Amino acid sequence: QLQLQESGPGLVKPSETLSLTCTVSGGSISSSSYYWGWIRQPPGKGLEWIGSIYYSGSTSYNPSLKSRVTMSVDTSKNQFSLNLSSVTAADTAVYYCARQLRVFDYWGQGSLVTVSS
Amino acid sequence: EIVLTQSPGTLSLSPGERATLSCRASQSVSSRYLAWYQQKPGQAPRLLIYGASSRATGIPDRFSGSGSGTDFTLTISRLEPEDFAVYYCQQYGNSPETFGQGTKVEIK
Repeated sequence: QLQLQESGPGLVKPSETLSLTCTVSGGSISSSSYYWGWIRQPPGKGLEWIGSIYYSGSTSYNPSLKSRVTMSVDTSKNQFSLNLSSVTAADTAVYYCARQLRVFDYWGQGSLVTVSS
Repeated sequence: EIVLTQSPGTLSLSPGERATLSCRASQSVSSRYLAWYQQKPGQAPRLLIYGASSRATGIPDRFSGSGSGTDFTLTISRLEPEDFAVYYCQQYGNSPETFGQGTKVEIK
């Protein structure tokens, strides 16, 4: 059974960089069929796609966040990562990682990141 | 980007009743690339429907999806207690992928 687990700091200061890692178990991140994505959900609000990455390193980002987002993949560790720079309180959200075959079919449990000084 | 508008915002129904949820797109969704997700409090979303009408693995047949172009519907034929949740539509035919704002199905 495929499992995804987010990890990273739960508190980030304004103007700093939010960094999260997603560890995939029960399957290979190097599968040729799938992208690996990040989605976020501010408290009490809806879902927003942040971006996705292929095991080769090819990326696709949401234009609304593109200037601040960097994603990377480490196939040796079966992990992929998200960096979001210059964060503000508006970036406070639960961040989910997910497997993507057009749709998001496997999700991590989510990681709450609060932006506050 | 394609904006998805879901209605109603909240649906108050009793177990056993039929639920009809709407998702309207600001422009045509190519190739019926429309999905539905269910989210319960404190949990990640769960994929229910993809390709507008195909059920994901393990999804009961009381869940069905329909529609094309700009108008899509998720129907739950008879609500079970575990179906009370928030439902999101998502289009993945055009980048960026976008989600609707959600419909909450609550117990009446």
